[in-house]
Amino acid sequence: DAGITQSPRHKVTETGTPVTLRCHQTENHRYMYWYRQDPGHGLRLIHYSYGVKDTDKGEVSDGYSVSRSKTEDFLLTLESATSSQTSVYFCAISDRVGETQYFGPGTRLLVL
Amino acid sequence: GENVEQHPSTLSVQEGDSAVIKCTYSDSASNYFPWYKQELGKRPQLIIDIRSNVGEKKDQRIAVTLNKTAKHFSLHITETQPEDSAVYFCAASSGGGADGLTFGKGTHLIIQP
Repeated sequence: DAGITQSPRHKVTETGTPVTLRCHQTENHRYMYWYRQDPGHGLRLIHYSYGVKDTDKGEVSDGYSVSRSKTEDFLLTLESATSSQTSVYFCAISDRVGETQYFGPGTRLLVL
Repeated sequence: GENVEQHPSTLSVQEGDSAVIKCTYSDSASNYFPWYKQELGKRPQLIIDIRSNVGEKKDQRIAVTLNKTAKHFSLHITETQPEDSAVYFCAASSGGGADGLTFGKGTHLIIQP
């Protein structure tokens, strides 16, 4: 597996609390992505980054924000978690646009 | 933007038989088509990919075909084995946009003993 880690791997939180998920890579890849995976919906893009401090919205960005202050780290923040954000979150990296993406191990988030 | 449709959503085959999963895409500018396998509780992992200048690619029991005119591509698995049971995702490049790949909704492949 490519050098991608996600933390935490599991989290239980309450509605209304802020949550930050971290993706860390050691591959020096330029592009980083956050997806959520829900039954029947496949992988849906939340936000992506094409360089340090360069980010943009994906298909399901409402309620999420991101930051990338270093090449190796891409943070996903749920400002005020809701039950609809209960999901499995995957980070992915790529060294070229429109090319193979390599996925992290995922974070399972439960919002009560 | 790109739209990828994947069928079927569930496929059950007898061990030893072949399995075929089909995807269609909408953006004629897409030029890269990977397939991912996701086992239960694990991350999606690339198993094979194809580019728009190639019609077919094989890797042991796995093959992918691409029809650019019809804008569809397929994954073929021959001599299926129990370890092939997983969810398979197709994807298409988003015509060069930085948002990368657009994924199909996945096919749950079940290998019956």
